[in-house]
Amino acid sequence: AQSVSQHNHHVILSEAASLELGCNYSYGGTVNLFWYVQYPGQHLQLLLKYFSGDPLVKGIKGFEAEFIKSKFSFNLRKPSVQWSDTAEYFCAVNINTNAGKSTFGDGTTLTVKP
Amino acid sequence: DAGVIQSPRHEVTEMGQEVTLRCKPISGHDYLFWYRQTMMRGLELLIYFNNNVPIDDSGMPEDRFSAKMPNASFSTLKIQPSEPRDSAVYFCASSPHRGGANVLTFGAGSRLTVL
Repeated sequence: AQSVSQHNHHVILSEAASLELGCNYSYGGTVNLFWYVQYPGQHLQLLLKYFSGDPLVKGIKGFEAEFIKSKFSFNLRKPSVQWSDTAEYFCAVNINTNAGKSTFGDGTTLTVKP
Repeated sequence: DAGVIQSPRHEVTEMGQEVTLRCKPISGHDYLFWYRQTMMRGLELLIYFNNNVPIDDSGMPEDRFSAKMPNASFSTLKIQPSEPRDSAVYFCASSPHRGGANVLTFGAGSRLTVL
């Protein structure tokens, strides 16, 4: 079974700092990769996704993620965070041959200080 | 579309009582998922349906939990009897069939507190 590992449980940054959240998965075959975000008091929503093609994908609000197949990684980045980026971020993987099931990481809580 | 609709948003009940959580997926979505979120265990998949048929219920914690999807527009997650350790936020999500890549749309969640 696939698993997803997010290395940082809690990240604290000041506004304008750069962000990188790590995500690694364990599955050797074709995968679809996602980052979801959960703002305080709200439900999870899609931030960005990778299915195929260009390994550098861009999402909403200036976020991007890079799929590095050799490292089984899909790290999330943003060059300059804002206070409104304070949220919990979840990495998820979906095996291409198993249409239904997405496995989520434990999440990383990002706190951005104004 | 109004998105995925869950009810109730909040439920406080006493140990031993039956709890029923409800979900209305987005119209046209083939898949429906029930997740549970806790501080200790993160986001766990409990069960998911494809075209109203349960596909994988391996995440259902025990026999006290059951889920049904009688039609394409409605699903329930039932806990009977409830226990304090069931306290969590329960999310319903739906997605369209996209040949192996499912982008989930989540509901607002049902926050359950069992006293």
